[in-house]
Amino acid sequence: DVKVTQSSRYLVKRTGEKVFLECVQDMDHENMFWYRQDPGLGLRLIYFSYDVKMKEKGDIPEGYSVSREKKERFSLILESASTNQTSMYLCASSLGTSSNQPQHFGDGTRLSIL
Amino acid sequence: AQKITQTQPGMFVQEKEAVTLDCTYDTSDPSYGLFWYKQPSSGEMIFLIYQGSYDQQNATEGRYSLNFQKARKSANLVISASQLGDSAMYFCAMREYGTASKLTFGTGTRLQVTL
Repeated sequence: DVKVTQSSRYLVKRTGEKVFLECVQDMDHENMFWYRQDPGLGLRLIYFSYDVKMKEKGDIPEGYSVSREKKERFSLILESASTNQTSMYLCASSLGTSSNQPQHFGDGTRLSIL
Repeated sequence: AQKITQTQPGMFVQEKEAVTLDCTYDTSDPSYGLFWYKQPSSGEMIFLIYQGSYDQQNATEGRYSLNFQKARKSANLVISASQLGDSAMYFCAMREYGTASKLTFGTGTRLQVTL
């Protein structure tokens, strides 16, 4: 089974802090994704990566950056956390470009910015 | 414009009954895929079922089936013989094949199974 592991289930940080959310997958997947989930808005894509050191902006990249130095690890960075970044963050990975490959998700990180 | 629309914020169904969760989509790409995910209160997203735009038959996976009506651009999830453990949020998502495996999600439907 695919395992996508997010480093924290719950995280509390202060406004202005630099925040790192880590995600690791164990199935050699090429693609990795970061989403945020807010009530009534569904999942919105922040950034994704289709290869090591490659990244592309999703629908809501403002205030975030990402890093993919190794194939199995994809980090989401909040450069200067703000209260409107309080949310549930979900990491996902998928295999190659095959059209029918689902994304596999981690358990999520509930981030609170005070 | 919304690419994925789930018009039912919440649904109730009695145990052992069937339930249909609605999903409509909007795309001009002839090649696309549709996915359904389940999210229990614990938070993890669980992949349920996939339908490709060129698939001739409706997808089925155990108690889950997808009622795919291409002309109407709808991909409704049908859960047969509902169980208490089916209570969760359900998300419909679409991948357009020119978009590097990105998924676009709907806003979800919360299903509550009652005794």
